[in-house]
Amino acid sequence: AQSVTQLDSQVPVFEEAPVELRCNYSSSVSVYLFWYVQYPNQGLQLLLKYLSGSTLVKSINGFEAEFNKSQTSFHLRKPSVHISDTAEYFCAVSGLTYGGATNKLIFGTGTLLAVQP
Amino acid sequence: DTAVSQTPKYLVTQMGNDKSIKCEQNLGHDTMYWYKQDSKKFLKIMFSYNNKELIINETVPNRFSPKSPDKAHLNLHINSLELGDSAVYFCASSHSFPNTGELFFGEGSRLTVL
Repeated sequence: AQSVTQLDSQVPVFEEAPVELRCNYSSSVSVYLFWYVQYPNQGLQLLLKYLSGSTLVKSINGFEAEFNKSQTSFHLRKPSVHISDTAEYFCAVSGLTYGGATNKLIFGTGTLLAVQP
Repeated sequence: DTAVSQTPKYLVTQMGNDKSIKCEQNLGHDTMYWYKQDSKKFLKIMFSYNNKELIINETVPNRFSPKSPDKAHLNLHINSLELGDSAVYFCASSHSFPNTGELFFGEGSRLTVL
């Protein structure tokens, strides 16, 4: 079974400051890792994912996350945030079986990124 | 074109009533899901269907009954609604092969039970 821990329920930050949202996971098998973003009153959108290969993955809007197997972490970072980045961010994990990921994406409890002017 | 669409977006109803939420996806995926997001934003999987067959059924009361008439549709019917059923219900879909674990979500259906 897999689990995801997002220790920070809320991260306030000023506009143009850097930010890191922390995510740790637990799994007895290899995993795929994801960050989803949820803007107010909307559904979840995939921000970025780690499936294999380079441990540093990037999104089109400046976010990046690094898979660290030894620390079982997948922290999300952005060097300079904008007001429009204000949203709930969810880390998620899917365990791997023969043939690919399981059909069960496990989510963390979410981190509200609150960007202030 | 909306990829995963849910109707209705909002439901307000009394305890004891029955309600349904419909979901349709036009992504050509063969796996669909229902997730429940509670008031603290916690997301928990409820059901998953692959090609109309139930493959995941988490510990969900029998009052919740999913139905998949075809692989592009997954509906959720809830009987005898309770206050604790108030939540946002998200439909999602994915490929089963290759299975990257990536889900595509609808915009959610906010259910309020009074």
